[in-house]
Amino acid sequence: KQEVTQIPAALSVPEGENLVLNCSFTDSAIYNLQWFRQDPGKGLTSLLLIQSSQREQTSGRLNASLDKSSGRSTLYIAASQPGDSATYLCAVRGQGESGANSKLTFGKGITLSVRP
Amino acid sequence: DTEVTQTPKHLVMGMTNKKSLKCEQHMGHRAMYWYKQKAKKPPELMFVYSYEKLSINESVPSRFSPECPNSSLLNLHLHALQPEDSALYLCASSQFSPGTSGSNEQYFGPGTRLTVT
Repeated sequence: KQEVTQIPAALSVPEGENLVLNCSFTDSAIYNLQWFRQDPGKGLTSLLLIQSSQREQTSGRLNASLDKSSGRSTLYIAASQPGDSATYLCAVRGQGESGANSKLTFGKGITLSVRP
Repeated sequence: DTEVTQTPKHLVMGMTNKKSLKCEQHMGHRAMYWYKQKAKKPPELMFVYSYEKLSINESVPSRFSPECPNSSLLNLHLHALQPEDSALYLCASSQFSPGTSGSNEQYFGPGTRLTVT
């Protein structure tokens, strides 16, 4: 059974700091990994998706990397801003037992607070 | 347009009520999902529809009844809920069915905050 871990559960940094959020997963048989952002009481916003054949994806100040063999992904946020404060979840889409029922397995998320 | 819409935004219902949650997407996606999220927990998959047919039911109690009237709409009918069913209900969609290899990025709606009294 796939397990996704995100540590620490919460992180507080001063504005302007570059930071790395970590995600690890136990089963490397995945199609892709997705990073989401969730503001309190809101839905999930997809930030980046990395295919299993890719090493990294970039969007603006965000860069996500994937090391499938070691079961790890990182989300790098450059020059953090107070508006980046949110919960960041990673989710892996496994290949599933039959391939027909693969689904997203989420980590518990990292709640980020960027202090002005 | 990469938007998934959900109505209502908030819903308060008694344990004897019947209500429905609605989800809509116009991206031509062929898979739609219902998730339940409790406070400070990750989303939990409830149902998946692929090409308008139910393909995954994660052992959800029968008081939750999904319906996919067409490829753009997904409903969740609620009946005789319990207070512990109070949560944020999220709808999502993806271009292809869940078992498809490749991207198949999931797009989420803003959710319906449900309170059962």
